[in-house]
Amino acid sequence: AQSVTQLDSQVPVFEEAPVELRCNYSSSVSVYLFWYVQYPNQGLQLLLKYLSGSTLVESINGFEAEFNKSQTSFHLRKPSVHISDTAEYFCAVTRNNAGNMLTFGGGTRLMVKP
Amino acid sequence: EPEVTQTPSHQVTQMGQEVILRCVPISNHLYFYWYRQILGQKVEFLVSFYNNEISEKSEIFDDQFSVERPDGSNFTLKIRSTKLEDSAMYFCASSEQMLQQYFGPGTRLTVT
Repeated sequence: AQSVTQLDSQVPVFEEAPVELRCNYSSSVSVYLFWYVQYPNQGLQLLLKYLSGSTLVESINGFEAEFNKSQTSFHLRKPSVHISDTAEYFCAVTRNNAGNMLTFGGGTRLMVKP
Repeated sequence: EPEVTQTPSHQVTQMGQEVILRCVPISNHLYFYWYRQILGQKVEFLVSFYNNEISEKSEIFDDQFSVERPDGSNFTLKIRSTKLEDSAMYFCASSEQMLQQYFGPGTRLTVT
């Protein structure tokens, strides 16, 4: 079985400041890793994913995440946030040898203040 | 851009009643899923469905739950006899390949 821990339930930050949302996972098998974002009253949207290859993955809107196998982490970062980044962010994992069930972390609410 | 849709957006029902939550997955997708999120808790996997049968289910998905693809477009989740603890946001998702899942906006189920 796998589990995901998002250490911060809320992260307040000022506009244009950098941010890091932390995600750690536990699994007895190899996994694929994802970050989903949920804007108010909307569904979950895939932000970025790590499947294999380069451990640093990027999204089209400036977010990046780095897979660290030794620390079992997949932290999400952005060097300069905008008001529009205010949302709930979910880290998720799935087994990469069978099945496709997503296991989610508890979510981190990013609140960007002007 | 194609998207997953869910109806209704909010469903209120009395304990013991049956509810059916509806989802229209993206049209060329083959894999379908239901997740739920109880207020203040994690998003939890319920069930996955492929080729007209359940491919995986969690411990939550007991005999009170069932899924169906009654036609070529809809994917439904039925709860036979709702309990107070079934109150949650229910998300439908679909995928073309087994990895990238596209989620709907959710149905908020309130059991009174």
